Amino acid sequence: GAVVSQHPSRVICKSGTSVKIECRSLDFQATTMFWYRQFPKQSLMLMATSNEGSKATYEQGVEKDKFLINHASLTLSTLTVTSAHPEDSSFYICSARFGSGSDEQFFGPGTRLTVL
Amino acid sequence: QKEVEQNSGPLSVPEGAIASLNCTYSDRGSQSFFWYRQYSGKSPELIMFIYSNGDKEDGRFTAQLNKASQYVSLLIRDSQPSDSATYLCAVDTGRRALTFGSGTRLQVQP
Repeated sequence: GAVVSQHPSRVICKSGTSVKIECRSLDFQATTMFWYRQFPKQSLMLMATSNEGSKATYEQGVEKDKFLINHASLTLSTLTVTSAHPEDSSFYICSARFGSGSDEQFFGPGTRLTVL
Repeated sequence: QKEVEQNSGPLSVPEGAIASLNCTYSDRGSQSFFWYRQYSGKSPELIMFIYSNGDKEDGRFTAQLNKASQYVSLLIRDSQPSDSATYLCAVDTGRRALTFGSGTRLQVQP
């Protein structure tokens, strides 16, 4: 299957700082990338849909000014958690799709964020 | 009503047995259905997907889809201890993003 990478895999930060997470599709061009969040013992919840060259579409209840998404190229999307707080501690996972004709999504390995 | 529902489990089966995992969904317009396996602390990995009513087999795995009843299931034959994980059912309702169920934890006893 296709490869999606995320960086960093784990980050610990102090409350109030900002954290940037990168999601890259390594061997294909992803027109659409998705950002999910997973709290312990819960399922993945979609945060936003990121389309290359346009603004991200956020799910209801997700603050767009807190979770900044940039999809500058067909292989890179970034999620910045601004002014992180302990309640933002979670497992953040991105996924990428091929072009519009494909339904398969390939997930990155995830980023474990811990805010102290 | 949740969009995608799964029994949280744990579902415990002996090694070599068939594990049956079930999922129901609420949106009749759903088009694609996926089963992912997730080990603790890891991201989901795709097992298989199904679009049409009926069965789809891939090795030890069989996905079954019944759109009239709005359910999809996953059968794992000859279950192995390494199959122990949380299995996530995901549905594409046409929005291109996936809606996940809460997952069923499977335990395969050696």
